[in-house]
Amino acid sequence: QKEVEQDPGPLSVPEGAIVSLNCTYSNSAFQYFMWYRQYSRKGPELLMYTYSSGNKEDGRFTAQVDKSSKYISLFIRDSQPSDSATYLCAMGGNNRLAFGKGNQVVVIP
Amino acid sequence: DTAVSQTPKYLVTQMGNDKSIKCEQNLGHDTMYWYKQDSKKFLKIMFSYNNKELIINETVPNRFSPKSPDKAHLNLHINSLELGDSAVYFCASSPTRGTNSPLHFGNGTRLTVT
Repeated sequence: QKEVEQDPGPLSVPEGAIVSLNCTYSNSAFQYFMWYRQYSRKGPELLMYTYSSGNKEDGRFTAQVDKSSKYISLFIRDSQPSDSATYLCAMGGNNRLAFGKGNQVVVIP
Repeated sequence: DTAVSQTPKYLVTQMGNDKSIKCEQNLGHDTMYWYKQDSKKFLKIMFSYNNKELIINETVPNRFSPKSPDKAHLNLHINSLELGDSAVYFCASSPTRGTNSPLHFGNGTRLTVT
């Protein structure tokens, strides 16, 4: 089993829809969970950061962590064409930082 | 005033050549990294330096040699380039060396080996 699993997609949604992305992981040492957004030809930029189970909200973005199931999610409400990008989950702990493979999202106007 | 800047942005070269990529960060961070991103967008760490000291050296061919003259700079030299080296190379920095420290990435160097 890979350390971090993320379905690469691509995922196409109409503008205004809710985008749901998720990652699973196998390493119980992971304590910190991040979502990065990467636009084409750019570097990844930190979108959300959390270290506890539960939900964290920032504007239209909600990050959800379930440590018991080793499962994290990112929800984007009222999606916009500007949200079209690749979203990478990342997890850190015990001197390990691992990235998912990224999930390409296309929001269609 | 880009936080993490790397040059060049594009690099096209032939097999067997030697090339360097430079990276600078003006965030005052202690730790810098090189990541390789393949065509499927998978990010894989190559090296990490903390205050000029090498702290992570993943399984990378020894044709790749990082150099950190000071904590704001981390360069990557690649000898005898091979076709499989074609990828996007990202420099990143973080405030501390801990894995709880979010990364700040540059915009990448797209290397194409022909």
